[in-house]
Amino acid sequence: QSVLTQPPSVSGAPGQRVTISCTGSSSNIGADYDVHWYQQLPGTAPKLLVSVNTNRPSGVPDRFHASKSGTSASLAITGLQAEDEADYYCQSHDSSLGGYVVFGGGTKLTVL
Amino acid sequence: QVQLQESGPGLVKPSETLSLTCSVSGVSISSYYWTWIRQPPGMGLEYIGYVYYSGTTNYSPSLKSRLTMSVDTSKNHLSLKLTSVTAADTAVYYCARNSGGFDLWGRGTLVTVSS
Repeated sequence: QSVLTQPPSVSGAPGQRVTISCTGSSSNIGADYDVHWYQQLPGTAPKLLVSVNTNRPSGVPDRFHASKSGTSASLAITGLQAEDEADYYCQSHDSSLGGYVVFGGGTKLTVL
Repeated sequence: QVQLQESGPGLVKPSETLSLTCSVSGVSISSYYWTWIRQPPGMGLEYIGYVYYSGTTNYSPSLKSRLTMSVDTSKNHLSLKLTSVTAADTAVYYCARNSGGFDLWGRGTLVTVSS
């Protein structure tokens, strides 16, 4: 059971907008820790995609946008493309665990 | 170009010690915190711990009793040792650079625990 909760799967058609939620609590996202999102294409290592309140890493298109409110965070992907089909993970820290890193369980994005 | 490369035995017997190395090229290992993360087959990401060149470490509570991480600045690499392994430790092990998020990852190395 992950500390951060993500939906197991989401889907959308090319060109559409999808959002992936990441639900935490007052000891992690709600404690104002940074939230980061990673994209993992099949058979490859995760890649830092976007973070709340920080610049997007070089090379990541601005179709990916991260936000947070209260104890939850979201990743929005606009103009969905076939190459976006991947697993997505949110990551933060948790004060109840001594500030340790915590990950969401991951969300599989399917482009229809 | 900064690169990370994990290496180690792909097969470890139950109850033995898993030892991995992460070679860092293109940047001094003294400049960042370095993290180990693992991913069991078909499952999500699990934080193992981080290490700094000074020797500062932070281990996941669930692995702390079996875990040792270190940095060798002369070789510009970091090491991980996990003792008394079981099948539950079977995973792809990644090293990653911590720079406001894990902004650089190795390709990962699969470690299977089996007799």
